[in-house]
Amino acid sequence: AQKITQTQPGMFVQEKEAVTLDCTYDTSDPSYGLFWYKQPSSGEMIFLIYQGSYDQQNATEGRYSLNFQKARKSANLVISASQLGDSAMYFCAMREGGRDRDDKIIFGKGTRLHILP
Amino acid sequence: AAGVIQSPRHLIKEKRETATLKCYPIPRHDTVYWYQQGPGQDPQFLISFYEKMQSDKGSIPDRFSAQQFSDYHSELNMSSLELGDSALYFCASIGNYGYTFGSGTRLTVV
Repeated sequence: AQKITQTQPGMFVQEKEAVTLDCTYDTSDPSYGLFWYKQPSSGEMIFLIYQGSYDQQNATEGRYSLNFQKARKSANLVISASQLGDSAMYFCAMREGGRDRDDKIIFGKGTRLHILP
Repeated sequence: AAGVIQSPRHLIKEKRETATLKCYPIPRHDTVYWYQQGPGQDPQFLISFYEKMQSDKGSIPDRFSAQQFSDYHSELNMSSLELGDSALYFCASIGNYGYTFGSGTRLTVV
């Protein structure tokens, strides 16, 4: 069964608008971590934001924020004031287990975001 | 800050040849993960090492092997290459929260 689900294969958004990229996850482990990565056409995998399952507040990093709804097992990425340089593939990922466990992370299928001028 | 270094960045090999990919993790980080990302696909976990020992194994073909050395760098050895092995290969080590990825090695098998 897919553990990370990203239901939007592609999105087109006007520059300066806010964007929400959806991500739902499935785990029975009470301790887990959620990540978002950006992959531009150059191929590198850029870490954006992290949310721990026990974190009380939603994570924020500059224009990125993570809308964490634990009961719904949802971890949507919100990009405020989108820019042309935000055009890329975005992956949601999860690590099961606490931070002391060096477990692998697994990725969703990704969402390709296109920012229109 | 030092990041994860991978070499080479690009590699072109013929079918049935062998390839060796190298990964130098963040200094003093003892865990390395290898991922394979086919064209238009999400990254798939191959194998990981902790303190020079294999810690986890994913969908890594038997033709591939990997190891982690005393300085914590890791090498992924790929033999009898097939066209389907053409992909972007990432290694990662753990940063503050996130798994920091190298820039990847793009392997093309012709």
